[in-house]
Amino acid sequence: SQTIHQWPATLVQPVGSPLSLECTVEGTSNPNLYWYRQAAGRGLQLLFYSVGIGQISSEVPQNLSASRPQDRQFILSSKKLLLSDSGFYLCAWSVSVTGRADTQYFGPGTRLTVL
Amino acid sequence: QQQVKQSPQSLIVQKGGISIINCAYENTAFDYFPWYQQFPGKGPALLIAIRPDVSEKKEGRFTISFNKSAKQFSLHIMDSQPGDSATYFCAASMRRNRDDKIIFGKGTRLHILP
Repeated sequence: SQTIHQWPATLVQPVGSPLSLECTVEGTSNPNLYWYRQAAGRGLQLLFYSVGIGQISSEVPQNLSASRPQDRQFILSSKKLLLSDSGFYLCAWSVSVTGRADTQYFGPGTRLTVL
Repeated sequence: QQQVKQSPQSLIVQKGGISIINCAYENTAFDYFPWYQQFPGKGPALLIAIRPDVSEKKEGRFTISFNKSAKQFSLHIMDSQPGDSATYFCAASMRRNRDDKIIFGKGTRLHILP
């Protein structure tokens, strides 16, 4: 069966510090990968998605970046965190079946607080 | 055109009552409509989904009603229980190349009173 891991589970960082969040998927090959941010009590904002190694699409201009160094690894980074980067970060994966990747499976999330 | 509008933003229902969450879309190219359920501190999980070739889909106490002509769909939770208290997201997707994305509504925070 497939599983998705995210770490760390919680993180408290000062403004201006760097960030690295990691997401890994097990039990599937060549998945689509996604990073979402969810502000407190708000909806899901798609930040980045990737259809393959080294292929990253950005949805929202910001001080965050994403990388996919391996097929089942997705990393979210920042060189200098802002207060507005606080939120719940969710990684998700999907697999194209006959050209569709309708269902996304979400990880447990990382709670980031920037002080 | 790419938006999915969800209402209400929050909902309080008595235990045993019916919870109803509504969504509307504009893009007729959408052809898959899932609902996700998210408990506090957890990631969303697929609850139930429907394709526009049917008007209703039922799984246990959860039913999706779909109105293609009105471009609206809704989630009904029958005999609502305190354990159903969560945030619910409707969503929509369409056939694309591999860069498949799901468009999510803004979510409804449901609270079931015991």
